[in-house]
Amino acid sequence: KQEVTQIPAALSVPEGENLVLNCSFTDSAIYNLQWFRQDPGKGLTSLLLIQSSQREQTSGRLNASLDKSSGRSTLYIAASQPGDSATYLCAVSKVGSGNTGKLIFGQGTTLQVKP
Amino acid sequence: SQTIHQWPATLVQPVGSPLSLECTVEGTSNPNLYWYRQAAGRGLQLLFYSVGIGQISSEVPQNLSASRPQDRQFILSSKKLLLSDSGFYLCAWSTLRATGSYNEQFFGPGTRLTVL
Repeated sequence: KQEVTQIPAALSVPEGENLVLNCSFTDSAIYNLQWFRQDPGKGLTSLLLIQSSQREQTSGRLNASLDKSSGRSTLYIAASQPGDSATYLCAVSKVGSGNTGKLIFGQGTTLQVKP
Repeated sequence: SQTIHQWPATLVQPVGSPLSLECTVEGTSNPNLYWYRQAAGRGLQLLFYSVGIGQISSEVPQNLSASRPQDRQFILSSKKLLLSDSGFYLCAWSTLRATGSYNEQFFGPGTRLTVL
């Protein structure tokens, strides 16, 4: 059974700091891994999608890496800003789930960036 | 561009009342559609998914049902709500790549349901 874990559950950093969020999964047989952002009371916003054949993806100040063999992904946020404060979720799409595209989510890391 | 709509945004219902939440997607065709529930402190739980019109798969036994009457419309229903049905309900969509993998999954704004 695929399980996704995110550590830490919460993180508080001063503005301007570079930071890394961690995601681990127990079964390396995945199609892809996706990082999302969720603001309080809102839906999820897709940040980055990494296919299983890729090692990293970048969008602006965000860089996500994937090490499928070790079951790990990191989301690197450069020069953090108060507007980055949110909950960050990672999710994997497991091989063997047919044509469903089902995602299995971690519990998320709640980030607070202090001015 | 693609957009996804959910309504209502918030709903307060008494125990035992019926429920109907609607999700529609614009700008894509033949998407896979998903209903998730996010309960406080419990993360995102996949409830139903659909790979085509009239095709519904349930992930967990529950008091809810889903229907897909049109390609880009997904409805979540209940005949009699329970207290435990309270939560934040999210609809999502994605499309299949030629390689067999999936493109990004995109989420709607959600419906906050409170059952009293």
